[in-house]
Amino acid sequence: DAKTTQPTSMDCAEGRAANLPCNHSTISGNEYVYWYRQIHSQGPQYIIHGLKNNETNEMASLIITEDRKSSTLILPHATLRDTAVYYCIVRVNAQGGSEKLVFGKGTKLTVNP
Amino acid sequence: DAGITQSPRHKVTETGTPVTLRCHQTENHRYMYWYRQDPGHGLRLIHYSYGVKDTDKGEVSDGYSVSRSKTEDFLLTLESATSSQTSVYFCAIRDSGGLPDTQYFGPGTRLTVL
Repeated sequence: DAKTTQPTSMDCAEGRAANLPCNHSTISGNEYVYWYRQIHSQGPQYIIHGLKNNETNEMASLIITEDRKSSTLILPHATLRDTAVYYCIVRVNAQGGSEKLVFGKGTKLTVNP
Repeated sequence: DAGITQSPRHKVTETGTPVTLRCHQTENHRYMYWYRQDPGHGLRLIHYSYGVKDTDKGEVSDGYSVSRSKTEDFLLTLESATSSQTSVYFCAIRDSGGLPDTQYFGPGTRLTVL
């Protein structure tokens, strides 16, 4: 299984861009990078995913390096409500066709006023 | 929220009692999952289902059983609850409408076993 490495914590000022890095140097060619976040006591929330091209949706942008060994999640204008633990996950296919998500410890992002 | 609800949202029970948690979805997804989340361990997969009456074990299945008699409901049962099963339990569904599939999570059930 491809593993991910993320910083334990980060801080960001409200209104500024939050850039969350993730290393996944053992990723396979057909594995996707997913980002989820978890606001305190709530269920994990899907943010975005990508394979090799940069992706953008209404929540965030995902920048994947050309060698796919790392990626960066960008929250363009962070708000206090973006304070959460952010998980970078590489998709693992479990036996039988089911998908098993392996969650690491994530990055605790604190957005400060 | 992908139409996922969990019940109960909070439960306190005593060691040795049976407990059943329910996950309900409204969008006819084939795959459903039960995870538990504990400090220092992150989310760990307990069981998953790939269809009605089709289930399989995850990485921490000991002490848990599941059932899925209809598409919309996935039940997690603790036959005899222990204090080590105090945790927050999350249900998830797999949305196969896009490429690749994406998992979406329910709001969670906080279980305390005294």
